[in-house]
This record gives sequence, C-alpha cells and structure tokens, in this order.
Amino acid sequence: ETGVTQTPRHLVMGMTNKKSLKCEQHLGHNAMYWYKQSAKKPLELMFVYNFKEQTENNSVPSRFSPECPNSSHLFLHLHTLQPEDSALYLCASSPRGTPPGTGELFFGEGSRLTVL
Amino acid sequence: GIQVEQSPPDLILQEGANSTLRCNFSDSVNNLQWFHQNPWGQLINLFYIPSGTKQNGRLSATTVATERYSLLYISSSQTTDSGVYFCAVTAGNEKLTFGTGTRLTIIP
Repeated sequence: ETGVTQTPRHLVMGMTNKKSLKCEQHLGHNAMYWYKQSAKKPLELMFVYNFKEQTENNSVPSRFSPECPNSSHLFLHLHTLQPEDSALYLCASSPRGTPPGTGELFFGEGSRLTVL
Repeated sequence: GIQVEQSPPDLILQEGANSTLRCNFSDSVNNLQWFHQNPWGQLINLFYIPSGTKQNGRLSATTVATERYSLLYISSSQTTDSGVYFCAVTAGNEKLTFGTGTRLTIIP
C-alpha cells in the first residue's frame, strides 16, 4: 500500500454533476495538498492544508471545494465543472506545510478527471 | 518567483545506456526534490536533496546549491525508467515550484 492513496483513479462526469475526489495519507504527515496537472502544463498547486487548516488557495475557482476533516484525509468536491477542468488531480502530503512543500513531498497515484 | 529549468526536454535512449538530467534554478533553495512520473501518472519521490549527493541503486543525484543546479544520473537504463522526471524547489517562503520536466524514453 502506498503512503498516499487516492480514489477514484478515473472519473468521468457531466458539467452538471457533483462528485468528490478522496485522498488519504498513512505517513503521519501534517500537511496535505491538491495539485492539478493539465496536458503540456506544469503542475499547479491548488490548495494546501496544514494541521487541517487551509493555508493556501491558489486562486482556484469556487467550483472546486476542498475539505480536510483531519490531517489524514483530504477531499476535493467538484460541482458544475467545465471541460477545461479535465486533468490529472494529484494529492500530496508532507511533514508540514509552511511554507507549502516544506519537507519531503509524497504524492498519490492521481485521479484522472474527464468533464464532458 | 524562482525559475526552474530542466534539460533536455526529451531524451530517447537504448536500454542499458546511462543518462544525466539537469535542473537549473534561479535563486537559493532550501528544498529540492526529484520525482519520476510513470506512464500512469503517479509521481514517485526519488530524492530529497537540497544539497550534496545521494545514491539509490542505479540512480544518484547531486545538488550544487552555490551554483544553483542539480543533476540526476540514471545508469544502466531499463524500460521501466521511462516517464517524465521533474525537479521541484522551494526558495525562502515561496511554494514548491516544479520544472517542466524531462521526458525519458528507454527503447528495448
């Protein structure tokens, strides 16, 4: 079992659907992250949670809504997405999150999202 | 913000060959990591190396912080080494910045 697990691995949704991505880390870390990777673009940091508190929102549209109930779990709720939101969404964790990415960063396998 | 450049952008090698991937950065860093993204999308942590040299099997990395670059060496390449290699750095209180990657293809 990897240290960071993401579900689902693949998701296809319509623009009016509501879905959620889930991430769980088993590394005892205190910081969790959502990244977006679109084709031919660098990884984009979306959100950072440090000790369950959101410490970074990188100008992400409100149709993406994160939730961090505890230091081990992170969700990304999706609502009324656009086709251009189709991408690979990667969750990561690190020992601490200030500054973002401090300490060694570990990624999950990603959730590949397609919006029709 | 800090700039991260990786070279070469693409590299195609025969199985068994050695390779060197380079990461240049524009400012002093307090965190540098190398990742391998496999064909299924997962980013695998290779090295956490803000300075110095580390080795792990056929892979090794060296970061010369004073000269603002890091090198990733892959020896005796295997087809499973194919994928994209990313360097990522943190400078000061800035967030982790990823380079654009080197796409490595190992031909059997």
